[in-house]
Amino acid sequence: DTGVSQDPRHKITKRGQNVTFRCDPISEHNRLYWYRQTLGQGPEFLTYFQNEAQLEKSRLLSDRFSAERPKGSFSTLEIQRTEQGDSAMYLCASRADRGGSNEKLFFGSGTQLSVL
Amino acid sequence: DQQVKQNSPSLSVQEGRISILNCDYTNSMFDYFLWYKKYPAEGPTFLISISSIKDKNEDGRFTVFLNKSAKHLSLHIVPSQPGDSAVYFCAASATGTYKYIFGTGTRLKVLA
Repeated sequence: DTGVSQDPRHKITKRGQNVTFRCDPISEHNRLYWYRQTLGQGPEFLTYFQNEAQLEKSRLLSDRFSAERPKGSFSTLEIQRTEQGDSAMYLCASRADRGGSNEKLFFGSGTQLSVL
Repeated sequence: DQQVKQNSPSLSVQEGRISILNCDYTNSMFDYFLWYKKYPAEGPTFLISISSIKDKNEDGRFTVFLNKSAKHLSLHIVPSQPGDSAVYFCAASATGTYKYIFGTGTRLKVLA
């Protein structure tokens, strides 16, 4: 169990540029989540996958955001035409799927995005 | 609509005393609750959870209490230690949704 891994840890970009983040979940965790956290707020749900299927997307996820999990393993989150309001920590989490809802989420260390 | 609320943004406690962190929720469908601890520049780490079929769950120095009628849960840390200083988030989930809703957090400072 190597934990949830996120890359990069930090990203600084200029407004209007595209950025992509990667998340490697704990192996054999079928469910993978993306959250966003800004200062003074709790993690806000963005989207989640069961295997390669994206099952739910938050209204927070505008059409500039896209997430994929092509082979049901790692996931990418892309933000196109970044805006200063996109500056936040982007957190990835995964959980086991043992047939019930009562499972804890394991989080990665996050990617801190700063849009200048 | 904030379904999970942590109304105290911060809390200071003396080392060795009890820390009590509170959380309220509005959605009666929530039936699984979790507490996470977060240090700066790190992801949240799981502390303890409770299912709605219980009203208490204990793990070492950490105890979570659930009052379903009041839609309220609390995390007790006894005794508090300086290393407990962090931001604490409560989260809730409803069976079948697989989605976890987090509160805004409480910053705990344990004073030596």
